[in-house]
Amino acid sequence: EPEVTQTPSHQVTQMGQEVILRCVPISNHLYFYWYRQILGQKVEFLVSFYNNEISEKSEIFDDQFSVERPDGSNFTLKIRSTKLEDSAMYFCASSGWLNTEAFFGQGTRLTVV
Amino acid sequence: KQEVTQIPAALSVPEGENLVLNCSFTDSAIYNLQWFRQDPGKGLTSLLLIQSSQREQTSGRLNASLDKSSGRSTLYIAASQPGDSATYLCVIPKGGSEKLVFGKGTKLTVNP
Repeated sequence: EPEVTQTPSHQVTQMGQEVILRCVPISNHLYFYWYRQILGQKVEFLVSFYNNEISEKSEIFDDQFSVERPDGSNFTLKIRSTKLEDSAMYFCASSGWLNTEAFFGQGTRLTVV
Repeated sequence: KQEVTQIPAALSVPEGENLVLNCSFTDSAIYNLQWFRQDPGKGLTSLLLIQSSQREQTSGRLNASLDKSSGRSTLYIAASQPGDSATYLCVIPKGGSEKLVFGKGTKLTVNP
């Protein structure tokens, strides 16, 4: 069964460092998303990506964040200069079309120290 | 603004019991509603998706219902097993948006 895969599963980084979280969405899907979940809190939307550009982003997704689909299969989230409050589980998701069933990856746990 | 509320926040039941998890939402103009399962420290597994035109959807021991007019959905789990222990999340697309709105979840513990 097709699935969304994310790497790494866990990343520890020092404050101020850049991190890149990687995702391989389901191959025939057209919409891609990043969500995050701070420990003990709700899952919250960061950004959606369609047709090789950001289609929607939340207020959380400020200039330190960027997304890219560099090669037609991978979908990455870059955090330019990490802060302690960026520590969270980051989930990648994809869907075949807008408002259809979304499939999530297993997440990357980011710990900023 | 779509808000999703799940009650109860936590539930502990003995193995074999049938149970119901509740989800309520504020904006009834929804495309669909999805139930996910999240195991501790793990990813989100899609369990069921109900389209706005449907009243219920079944998968194995799981049955989800949807009442758009009252802004409610329930997830019924029959003959619960210890392996059902997880947090169950109710998720709805935000109207006019691409984002999904998550409830905070119900943490289910099924005791052997």
